[in-house]
Amino acid sequence: GAVVSQHPSRVICKSGTSVKIECRSLDFQATTMFWYRQFPKQSLMLMATSNEGSKATYEQGVEKDKFLINHASLTLSTLTVTSAHPEDSSFYICSAYSGTANGYTFGSGTRLTVV
Amino acid sequence: GQQVMQIPQYQHVQEGEDFTTYCNSSTTLSNIQWYKQRPGGHPVFLIQLVKSGEVKKQKRLTFQFGEAKKNSSLHITATQTTDVGTYFCAGRGSGAGSYQLTFGKGTKLSVIP
Repeated sequence: GAVVSQHPSRVICKSGTSVKIECRSLDFQATTMFWYRQFPKQSLMLMATSNEGSKATYEQGVEKDKFLINHASLTLSTLTVTSAHPEDSSFYICSAYSGTANGYTFGSGTRLTVV
Repeated sequence: GQQVMQIPQYQHVQEGEDFTTYCNSSTTLSNIQWYKQRPGGHPVFLIQLVKSGEVKKQKRLTFQFGEAKKNSSLHITATQTTDVGTYFCAGRGSGAGSYQLTFGKGTKLSVIP
C-alpha cells in the first residue's frame, strides 16, 4: 500500500530556532501534499496545501513566513517552522492523495515541543 | 467555507454494544472519507464513499453516505476493545480540482471491557 514517511517523529527545540519536517511519499508520486496541525484531543486543522513546483496555498490565519513549505519534487515536501515559539508546540502531520483505493495517506506525524 | 460537523464528541460503550458516529457537511461533497486514529498515532484511512446513498461494509463496520451527499455515518456492531480510538470523517469538496479534505472534530470511542 501507499506509504508516507515523515521525519522527525519528535523534536524538542529552543525558542527562536527553526525546525524542518520532511514528508516523503515512498511508493507513489504526490503532486499535492497537505500539512495539518493537531492540538491535543482536537481534530486536524489544514495549514497549507503543498504543490510540487509552485508556491504553497495557505489557509486563512496561517503565517506563510513562519511556516515555510517547499515541494521540490514529486515525492518530497518540507515544512520549516521558523523562529519557533512555545505556542507552536503541536503535532504536525502531512498527507498525500494516493489514489481512490487508499484515500489520503498520512505520515506518522511530528510532535514538536518548543521550550 | 466548508464545514463538517461530527457528533458525538465522545462515546463510552460496553464491549459488545453498538456504536454510531454521524457527520454533516454544510455543502455537498464529492466524497467523504473515514479515518481512525489511535491514541498517539496518526489517522489511518478506513474507507471512501462517493455515490449518493452508498453503503459499504467492512466486517463489523458499516458506512453510509446520504442521498444528498451531505451527511454520513459510521456504525460499529458489537464493539471490541480493539475498536478504541478517535474516528474522523473528512469531506472533499465538489469544486473542480478540489483536493482538500475538511475534517470533522472526531468521535472518541472508549470501550469498557
